[in-house]
Amino acid sequence: TQLLEQSPQFLSIQEGENLTVYCNSSSVFSSLQWYRQEPGEGPVLLVTVVTGGEVKKLKRLTFQFGDARKDSSLHITAAQPGDTGLYLCAGVSGGYQKVTFGIGTKLQVIP
Amino acid sequence: ETGVTQTPRHLVMGMTNKKSLKCEQHLGHNAMYWYKQSAKKPLELMFVYSLEERVENNSVPSRFSPECPNSSHLFLHLHTLQPEDSALYLCASSQAYRGINTGELFFGEGSRLTVL
Repeated sequence: TQLLEQSPQFLSIQEGENLTVYCNSSSVFSSLQWYRQEPGEGPVLLVTVVTGGEVKKLKRLTFQFGDARKDSSLHITAAQPGDTGLYLCAGVSGGYQKVTFGIGTKLQVIP
Repeated sequence: ETGVTQTPRHLVMGMTNKKSLKCEQHLGHNAMYWYKQSAKKPLELMFVYSLEERVENNSVPSRFSPECPNSSHLFLHLHTLQPEDSALYLCASSQAYRGINTGELFFGEGSRLTVL
């Protein structure tokens, strides 16, 4: 069974602070995705990283895929209240590209 | 309508009721999924349909019965549920090219199910 561990599970910070959340596994994935889910909504795909060591930027969000393709991090610069939500990482593997989700990091950005 | 739409958004049912959840995708995708989201647990994959054929069934109890009449519609029929089945049920779709699924999922807003 492939498991994805996310840390921290809960994070409450002030607007303007920086933060990093982590997604770790003992398994190798062909790609890794990050989703954000707001209360009462379904998850929305933010990014897919494919190559070991890859770094992708989405405005104030920076995503990195580990060299061994087993882990990933999400760094948010100058967090804003609109960043509040549940951040889910998901590893893709297998011939059918099976997607395995982590439990998520619940982020609250206080104005 | 765009994206993936789910109905109803909220459902309360007794353990002896029969109800159905509906999902429709307007993205032209050829794979559809049912996921269960419970508190303090990762999203659990329940069923996968590719080109209207069920390709994965993750040991889901028979009280959950999926139906995929075409590539745009997916149903989850519910019968004799238990209180522990209360959760957010999410439908998703994706596109597979030549049998390889990109894994990028587009989710609906979910159906919040409460079983009394």
